[in-house]
Order: sequence, then structure tokens, then C-alpha cells
Amino acid sequence: GAGVSQSPSNKVTEKGKDVELRCDPISGHTALYWYRQSLGQGLEFLIYFQGNSAPDKSGLPSDRFSAERTGGSVSTLTIQRTQQEDSAVYLCASSTTTGLAGVGTQYFGPGTRLTVL
Amino acid sequence: AQSVAQPEDQVNVAEGNPLTVKCTYSVSGNPYLFWYVQYPNRGLQFLLKYITGDNLVKGSYGFEAEFNKSQTSFHLKKPSALVSDSALYFCAVRDGTDSNYQLIWGAGTKLIIKP
Repeated sequence: GAGVSQSPSNKVTEKGKDVELRCDPISGHTALYWYRQSLGQGLEFLIYFQGNSAPDKSGLPSDRFSAERTGGSVSTLTIQRTQQEDSAVYLCASSTTTGLAGVGTQYFGPGTRLTVL
Repeated sequence: AQSVAQPEDQVNVAEGNPLTVKCTYSVSGNPYLFWYVQYPNRGLQFLLKYITGDNLVKGSYGFEAEFNKSQTSFHLKKPSALVSDSALYFCAVRDGTDSNYQLIWGAGTKLIIKP
């Protein structure tokens, strides 16, 4: 079946512009996660959606970052007034929470490489 | 608080030799443990997980990991390394008794296999 997809794969923008990154999770996965990864570094948790519950936004680095998940499926991460330090790869993952597979295994998309000039 | 430690930033192994990538964890409930691999310029791929049962779990690409409760460790192993195993490896844990499905991630270990 289809995996997690993300678009665009690459985004180059100018400092101060807004960007939107999209994530399409695996069908039926109720949990969705956004991470940020700087070159060759670890994962920085940004936000977590679980079903209809309020999202865990504790990882968002500033109020310039926001995310929504419409209809419990597609998610959009928005960065307003981008700064050069926002340059990174933004990874999305999804997981199911039911059945034998519902233990939290996360399946990742290929990421969006954001470059802020 | 839950935590994961990968004590080695980098591990160097000669091709054909056995490899070990170390991971230790701290969790208050039942640990669910995971290993992921990230090849250069690629997203993360799931390798294997421990939920319950046999302490030795086998995963993709010939990798295995051993859950050691007394040492709170979940080291990743492979009997004979390949150059193609060179990648960034992440260990992760969650508390299986918690309804929060987030994973706590280690900082990653860069594995370099030399021909």
C-alpha cells in the first residue's frame, strides 16, 4: 500500500516569506507526527496529532510555527516569516494505534528539505 | 521521565566483522523499543521492535537486537557488516502502558563500515 507522502520534496524560500508543508499519512493511521532534522543530526519533535484529541504542540519552537490536520488525515505545517535557522528537513510520520500493529511504530515520509535564503 | 541514550556518536567497523550499536533506555512502565535506520538523503526506515516475548528480535537487512531488562539496554547487532549498512541509526522507546503513542528518540549513531 501507499506510504506516507510529503510535498514539496524541496522548498527554497526567502527570509520573511511563509511556507506550507504537506503530509499525507498512511490511510487509517490515526496518529501523525512532525519532526525537524538538521543535517546529519537527530530528530526534533514538533507536534503530534492523535485522533480527535487536541494536538501536542509542545515541540513547536516558536509561534511562527503552526500545524493543522483536516478530517483526521492530511496535515499542513505552516511556518510564517521564515528565518534562516528554519532551514532543515521536515519529516512527517504516521502510526496506527489499534490491533497488533498499534504499538506506535512510526512510518516516515521522505521529508521536505526547506532552505531559507 | 522517559529517556533514551545512544552513547556513541559514531561506530567504525570493518566489512565482514560483527557490529553493535548501543542503546540504553529509561521508562517507568513497560518499554516498547524500536530501531530505525536512515540512509544518506533518505527518510527513516523502521528496522525492528521489541514489545514482549523473546528478548532477541530479528529485523530487516539481517539486523537483530537484544532486550536486556536488567541492564535496560536494547543493543542493535549484526553478525557480519556490509558497506551498505553505513547509515545513521536511531533507537526509540515509548511506555507501553501510556496512551500517548509518541516515541522518545536517541540522538543517533553514525555507523561507518569500511571495506
